[in-house]
Amino acid sequence: DTAVSQTPKYLVTQMGNDKSIKCEQNLGHDTMYWYKQDSKKFLKIMFSYNNKELIINETVPNRFSPKSPDKAHLNLHINSLELGDSAVYFCASSPTSGGARVFGPGTRLTVL
Amino acid sequence: QKEVEQNSGPLSVPEGAIASLNCTYSDRGSQSFFWYRQYSGKSPELIMFIYSNGDKEDGRFTAQLNKASQYVSLLIRDSQPSDSATYLCAVGGAGSYQLTFGKGTKLSVIP
Repeated sequence: DTAVSQTPKYLVTQMGNDKSIKCEQNLGHDTMYWYKQDSKKFLKIMFSYNNKELIINETVPNRFSPKSPDKAHLNLHINSLELGDSAVYFCASSPTSGGARVFGPGTRLTVL
Repeated sequence: QKEVEQNSGPLSVPEGAIASLNCTYSDRGSQSFFWYRQYSGKSPELIMFIYSNGDKEDGRFTAQLNKASQYVSLLIRDSQPSDSATYLCAVGGAGSYQLTFGKGTKLSVIP
């Protein structure tokens, strides 16, 4: 049974489009995260939610909007996609604070 | 700006040897230290984490902290070819939701 799942696994889209990535965890964790890993494999936090409340909002363009309908789900919506948004986006979760414990499989976003 | 530095490698070790991976951090107030393993094309997996109060051993893995010199190490004993991966170090404050990651060290274990 998958602990942290993401959909879709691959996303190929044109510049200017809007897309969403969904994440779900069945671990009962209180905290969920979105990370971006660029082509140089550098992993950087974007957002963190604790019990549906936004805790961390890093310097991310406001074209990115997270949404947590409940503590088991954290979605990421991206407006007006740009070439530089191409990356792998990982969802992760942890029991409370203190760093991501379990990562999802990742969503590879390619913007053409 | 908080920084975490790792040698990108590749670090090559023969099978059965001890692999030693290091990471330095800039924020003296850091209190939590994480090691992840990432196979090519896969997501990071947490290996272990320690807090500023001590080292930790888990099976073949040992994480050690040197607060004075601001570096943390991961030792892998009896290295196996399956340990070949990129190892990511991440550092945060006490109870912090936010970790700062290094760029990772690629480890290659030669049979």
